[in-house]
Amino acid sequence: DVKVTQSSRYLVKRTGEKVFLECVQDMDHENMFWYRQDPGLGLRLIYFSYDVKMKEKGDIPEGYSVSREKKERFSLILESASTNQTSMYLCASSLAGGDNEQFFGPGTRLTVL
Amino acid sequence: KNEVEQSPQNLTAQEGEFITINCSYSVGISALHWLQQHPGGGIVSLFMLSSGKKKHGRLIATINIQEKHSSLHITASHPRDSAVYICAVDTDKLIFGTGTRLQVFP
Repeated sequence: DVKVTQSSRYLVKRTGEKVFLECVQDMDHENMFWYRQDPGLGLRLIYFSYDVKMKEKGDIPEGYSVSREKKERFSLILESASTNQTSMYLCASSLAGGDNEQFFGPGTRLTVL
Repeated sequence: KNEVEQSPQNLTAQEGEFITINCSYSVGISALHWLQQHPGGGIVSLFMLSSGKKKHGRLIATINIQEKHSSLHITASHPRDSAVYICAVDTDKLIFGTGTRLQVFP
């Protein structure tokens, strides 16, 4: 089975802190994605990556950056956390190409105080 | 207007009822996904389809490409089916609906 793991299920940070969210997948998937999920808005794409050291902006990249130094790991970075970044963050991975099923991690619920 | 619209937003049912959740979209797609999210956050893929109909156990998904519409049906619903059901369409990326929260009572 594909397994996508995220470093924390719950995280509480203070405004201005630098926050790292880690995602690891064990099925050698080329594609990895970071989403945030907010009530009434559904999942929105923050950043994605099709290969190591490659990154592309999604729909809402402002305030975030990413890092993909190894194929299995995709990190989301909040350089200076703000209260409007309080959300559920979901990582996903899939095989290369389009029309492939995405496999999701369990999510990290981040609260910024 | 959202590119992916789901209805209803909330749905309650008695155990055993037949459930239908609808998804309409306004963009050209290569595939449509139905996802299930249980309390606690984890999302699992139920179906990916680009035409016709797929069935898995008590779940059936249909898609009409011409009408840009898909339905997810649950036969003989059970309390363990209680979850949020999310429709997502594949363009050059996934575009998600806002989900349908289903509660099935015994």
